[in-house]
Amino acid sequence: GQNIDQPTEMTATEGAIVQINCTYQTSGFNGLFWYQQHAGEAPTFLSYNVLDGLEEKGRFSSFLSRSKGYSYLLLKELQMKDSASYLCAVRGDYNTDKLIFGTGTRLQVFP
Amino acid sequence: DAGVIQSPRHEVTEMGQEVTLRCKPISGHDYLFWYRQTMMRGLELLIYFNNNVPIDDSGMPEDRFSAKMPNASFSTLKIQPSEPRDSAVYFCASSRTGAFNQPQHFGDGTRLSIL
Repeated sequence: GQNIDQPTEMTATEGAIVQINCTYQTSGFNGLFWYQQHAGEAPTFLSYNVLDGLEEKGRFSSFLSRSKGYSYLLLKELQMKDSASYLCAVRGDYNTDKLIFGTGTRLQVFP
Repeated sequence: DAGVIQSPRHEVTEMGQEVTLRCKPISGHDYLFWYRQTMMRGLELLIYFNNNVPIDDSGMPEDRFSAKMPNASFSTLKIQPSEPRDSAVYFCASSRTGAFNQPQHFGDGTRLSIL
């Protein structure tokens, strides 16, 4: 079966660092995406990993370990505007463009 | 550049009525996806098209749901007859063929309430 797990909710303080984890079990693997979704808005693309290691993009970084079926999104220097849901999505089988989404992690940043 | 455009943004209708949701993908994108999002189940893929052809409709919940893509710039998702459990936010997304790192771009969604 296909399964993606993320924590449901997290809280953090402005200026801090937070790590959002994602574990997956899929029949294949051809990349992992992270999306940000503010309440009432559309998901927007943040990052993509297909090889093991860390990808850094400004305040946001994403890490992948294919052998462990594990990824995390790291947010540094948190700002109030980072309060949102963060969705992990896996492209599984090679011959498909389907993404399997986790249910998302709602992050609340407090002053 | 214009993003994915969905209409209507909000729809409230009574049980049993037909509902039609519309989507215009980003120009040049040849994949189009329809998703449904609820608090309980998160974001679920309903169906996706490649070059206007339905590729995988295994996520369509039942025969009450149908989707078409008559041309590269327009798609519809229809529910007939609608039921209260269909209440959700429906998103359309598009992407282009190419490397696997091509992200899907989402429209603003249609918030559907069936009374």
